[in-house]
Amino acid sequence: DTGVSQDPRHKITKRGQNVTFRCDPISEHNRLYWYRQTLGQGPEFLTYFQNEAQLEKSRLLSDRFSAERPKGSFSTLEIQRTEQGDSAMYLCASSFLGMGNTEAFFGQGTRLTVV
Amino acid sequence: AQRVTQPEKLLSVFKGAPVELKCNYSYSGSPELFWYVQYSRQRLQLLLRHISRESIKGFTADLNKGETSFHLKKPFAQEEDSAMYYCALSTPSGTYKYIFGTGTRLKVLA
Repeated sequence: DTGVSQDPRHKITKRGQNVTFRCDPISEHNRLYWYRQTLGQGPEFLTYFQNEAQLEKSRLLSDRFSAERPKGSFSTLEIQRTEQGDSAMYLCASSFLGMGNTEAFFGQGTRLTVV
Repeated sequence: AQRVTQPEKLLSVFKGAPVELKCNYSYSGSPELFWYVQYSRQRLQLLLRHISRESIKGFTADLNKGETSFHLKKPFAQEEDSAMYYCALSTPSGTYKYIFGTGTRLKVLA
């Protein structure tokens, strides 16, 4: 599978612990997005990278959340001091800014359960 | 505020019946509209987008700017169409982030 890859697929953690997720986008894609999806909702935008620069963060992204994309390749999303409300599916997507092509390709997501 | 509304959480139809999944949006400019589909145990994938004006797997969607709608239609549903469908809008510049609706689960009954 040469699409967007996310690791791990599932993560169960105790409240208060830190977790880190990884996303490997499609190799030539310069845009990378993180979304969060809770039960019964559509994905909600968290943050956006163009190459290595983080250009937009949603208000959903509290100061316990941090994302990086070193060297404009893979990205990590870290959640510190997890809370039960952080339980969700975390989706990564990538796209290539070409001739107006804005189709985003999604990974299979990381499902986080905070107990 | 930018918003996408999908009023139906679940839509059940019989095989061979027509399908219409509703999507309304709120956006002050000229957004790009998309339909994404998620089959069981698979990732979200693009079904179609309004700028391409194509039919994919028999589905079509027309952007109606007057009614701010982008309904998804198929004349004859197939069992393999059963999936979760999400309507999304993207601003045509800047981050191109998506704003998704809450999704409609389509069940096609034999």
